[in-house]
Amino acid sequence: DTGVSQNPRHKITKRGQNVTFRCDPISEHNRLYWYRQTLGQGPEFLTYFQNEAQLEKSRLLSDRFSAERPKGSFSTLEIQRTEQGDSAMYLCASSPMGQGYYGYTFGSGTRLTVV
Amino acid sequence: DAKTTQPPSMDCAEGRAANLPCNHSTISGNEYVYWYRQIHSQGPQYIIHGLKNNETNEMASLIITEDRKSSTLILPHATLRDTAVYYCIGINTNAGKSTFGDGTTLTVKP
Repeated sequence: DTGVSQNPRHKITKRGQNVTFRCDPISEHNRLYWYRQTLGQGPEFLTYFQNEAQLEKSRLLSDRFSAERPKGSFSTLEIQRTEQGDSAMYLCASSPMGQGYYGYTFGSGTRLTVV
Repeated sequence: DAKTTQPPSMDCAEGRAANLPCNHSTISGNEYVYWYRQIHSQGPQYIIHGLKNNETNEMASLIITEDRKSSTLILPHATLRDTAVYYCIGINTNAGKSTFGDGTTLTVKP
C-alpha cells in the first residue's frame, strides 16, 4: 500500500467554476477525513466518513461543498461556484476503525488557487 | 475532542535537543496524544503517540504528565531537516473528528 493518495496536487481555477478533488485512502481504513488548511493555520476539519456514510460535517462546509465516498472506497470533494476564499490546501486522511497506530495517515494534499 | 495549546514558534541549535510543549487540559480519558509534523506543502506526518506512559521511537520521545494535561515532544539531536510545524492533537479514532491547533513552528539553526 502506498498510503493516502490525493489528486490533483495543484489546481488553479477561475472564480465561479466548479472543482472536484479525489482521495484514495489506505485500502483497509474504514474512516476518511477531509481537512482544509490555509497559510499559517492548522488543518480545519470539514467532514468525515465511516465506510460510505458521512457521519459529521463542519459548519465550515457551506452548501457549495459536497463530499461523497461511494462504496466506502475513494472519496471526492466538490466545490461549486468557487470563491477566492476557497483558496487553501485540502487534506485527506484515513484511519482504521480501531485505535490505529498512526492515528490519521494524511495525503500530500490538493492546493487550490482561485483566481 | 481535545483543545490543544502550543507556543507559536521555537528555535533550536543544530545537534541540541528540541523540547516542544503542548497543553491539552481538556483531553478525554480515551484520547491518545499524537504528534505530527508538517513540512511546507506536504501533509502532516506521524511522529509518535502515547496514552499515559512515556514513549520513545527512532524519531523522538514523548513525555506525558501524570494528569495527562500536558506533554512534551523531545527531538534528541535536532537537525536542519527537523525544521517544520509540529502539531499535538488528541485522537480517538473510534469517536470521530479531532481538532488541530495552529502548532509550533520549530526552526533549527546551524
